[in-house]
Amino acid sequence: AQSVTQPDIHITVSEGASLELRCNYSYGATPYLFWYVQSPGQGLQLLLKYFSGDTLVQGIKGFEAEFKRSQSSFNLRKPSVHWSDAAEYFCAVVPNSGYSTLTFGKGTMLLVSP
Amino acid sequence: GAGVSQTPSNKVTEKGKYVELRCDPISGHTALYWYRQSLGQGPEFLIYFQGTGAADDSGLPNDRFFAVRPEGSVSTLKIQRTERGDSAVYLCASSPSSGGGAGELFFGEGSRLTVL
Repeated sequence: AQSVTQPDIHITVSEGASLELRCNYSYGATPYLFWYVQSPGQGLQLLLKYFSGDTLVQGIKGFEAEFKRSQSSFNLRKPSVHWSDAAEYFCAVVPNSGYSTLTFGKGTMLLVSP
Repeated sequence: GAGVSQTPSNKVTEKGKYVELRCDPISGHTALYWYRQSLGQGPEFLIYFQGTGAADDSGLPNDRFFAVRPEGSVSTLKIQRTERGDSAVYLCASSPSSGGGAGELFFGEGSRLTVL
């Protein structure tokens, strides 16, 4: 079955430390891949997206993600986390077939400790 | 306004009642989506409009749920005979085109529905 999996329900990182959030997908062909962030009291916001080409994509707020076809993964990274990054992060996919609907993972809650 | 606006932000109702949730998308956006987010889960797709028509309503859980977008702008999600299991945050998003595959969805803050 087609799915997108975020293995970590929550992660705690010290401020200034690096961050990696995992995302794996299960689709017949490489889908379009997205990361969204949901901060308290705010709507979901797109951080970055991958369609094709360079497998390392840069996004807003200093985030980047790397697509690895061999691992069916699209992990989100940030070299140095700030307290304001505390939020819930969602990986999302659209099958590469012209179908328009995003399918989201269950999310990873990021907690930032001082 | 500049963003997607959803009203009400919070709605508490009793089991069996009828509820309407409204979404005002970004001006000019032709695509509009409804998602539902239950506690501890990611958003789940409900329905997608392209203009006035529902292009995909495969996510609506049953016939108690219905959505309209009569003039291609504002959309209303309607839930009849509400059940406790309908309690969730209902999210609306819009996009300049059929954005899920090629672009970015702009989300509202959601309408939190609690069914007692």
